[in-house]
Amino acid sequence: QKEVEQNSGPLSVPEGAIASLNCTYSDRGSQSFFWYRQYSGKSPELIMFIYSNGDKEDGRFTAQLNKASQYVSLLIRDSQPSDSATYLCALYTGRRALTFGSGTRLQVQP
Amino acid sequence: GAVVSQHPSWVICKSGTSVKIECRSLDFQATTMFWYRQFPKQSLMLMATSNEGSKATYEQGVEKDKFLINHASLTLSTLTVTSAHPEDSSFYICSAKTSGRRETQYFGPGTRLLVL
Repeated sequence: QKEVEQNSGPLSVPEGAIASLNCTYSDRGSQSFFWYRQYSGKSPELIMFIYSNGDKEDGRFTAQLNKASQYVSLLIRDSQPSDSATYLCALYTGRRALTFGSGTRLQVQP
Repeated sequence: GAVVSQHPSWVICKSGTSVKIECRSLDFQATTMFWYRQFPKQSLMLMATSNEGSKATYEQGVEKDKFLINHASLTLSTLTVTSAHPEDSSFYICSAKTSGRRETQYFGPGTRLLVL
């Protein structure tokens, strides 16, 4: 089992819809969770982090964490074509470096 | 968020030459930086962890004599690809970790290396 699992997609949503990206992890000791966005040919950009169970909202983005079920999700409201990118879930599993999922490719159709 | 820079952003070199890439944390001190490599349409692959004032820690399968890492200060880490070959052509990305109770990694913009 991979430490961090994401559906590779592509996840296709129409413009204006809610995009829901999911991530599951295996290490119950993980404490910090991150969502990065990576446009094609660019480096990852941090968009959200969450440490506590529940929801955390920042503009059109909401991160949700459920430690009991070992999943973290990212909701993007009012999706725009500019949101089309690969979204990487990452967390600290006790190593010094973040452990990344392989990413979910999101396509927002105009 | 914190700012991390990389230089150069693009390198084209001949096979057999060495290439140095710099990674700087501009507005915070980073005792730990990381070097990643990403091939087209593939995931980020962690190459090594760069520790200020000590030797880097390399991931399994990464040749430490080929990818030399130096972390001479709290804001600068360098990666030197020695005797580069075409198979080393890739997108090299560094990241720097903030310190404190809630550590976070910020990425540099990446360096695209093409070895002819």
